[in-house]
Amino acid sequence: KNEVEQSPQNLTAQEGEFITINCSYSVGISALHWLQQHPGGGIVSLFMLSSGKKKHGRLIATINIQEKHSSLHITASHPRDSAVYICAVAFTGNQFYFGTGTSLTVIP
Amino acid sequence: NAGVTQTPKFRVLKTGQSMTLLCAQDMNHEYMYWYRQDPGMGLRLIHYSVGEGTTAKGEVPDGYNVSRLKKQNFLLGLESAAPSQTSVYFCASSYSGVQDSYIQYFGAGTRLSVL
Repeated sequence: KNEVEQSPQNLTAQEGEFITINCSYSVGISALHWLQQHPGGGIVSLFMLSSGKKKHGRLIATINIQEKHSSLHITASHPRDSAVYICAVAFTGNQFYFGTGTSLTVIP
Repeated sequence: NAGVTQTPKFRVLKTGQSMTLLCAQDMNHEYMYWYRQDPGMGLRLIHYSVGEGTTAKGEVPDGYNVSRLKKQNFLLGLESAAPSQTSVYFCASSYSGVQDSYIQYFGAGTRLSVL
């Protein structure tokens, strides 16, 4: 069974803290996708990874293929980072399987 | 550029009614997708298209039909709506497929309630 698990489900942080969100999957993948869903419901793609590490501004995404694990890090968190962060993986073909998301709240 | 536009944004249907959700993209993307999002569950793929005139089933295709007559448009149809189809529907598009690591661009979503 293709499974994607995210942890934690909910996360509250103080402004400025370093945040880590984790994603684990059950079998080998061809690609992993991190997305952000805003409180209003809109979804934005953050990163697509198949190996290594990517950085964009204060966001860093890493993937360890052998351990079947990816992390999304947010440095110097800000209240505007409050959102649901979603991990999605592609096992084969063109279909992504999505985790249930990590709800992040950053308090000023 | 508008990106990915979904219409309508909200709709309430009675059981058995039919409707069509429209997704339009202006980025000349080949791939388009329809997802549904339900509380406590991740996004699930309903149908997708890898180009004009082609469609394929995703994870949860039952009760839905799709068409891609024009490259920029991807239509999702409910022939006989059921309460189980109450959900938020998202359309997405990408330049190429998953294997080429192209990110997906999402529409704002359509909130559908079936009574």
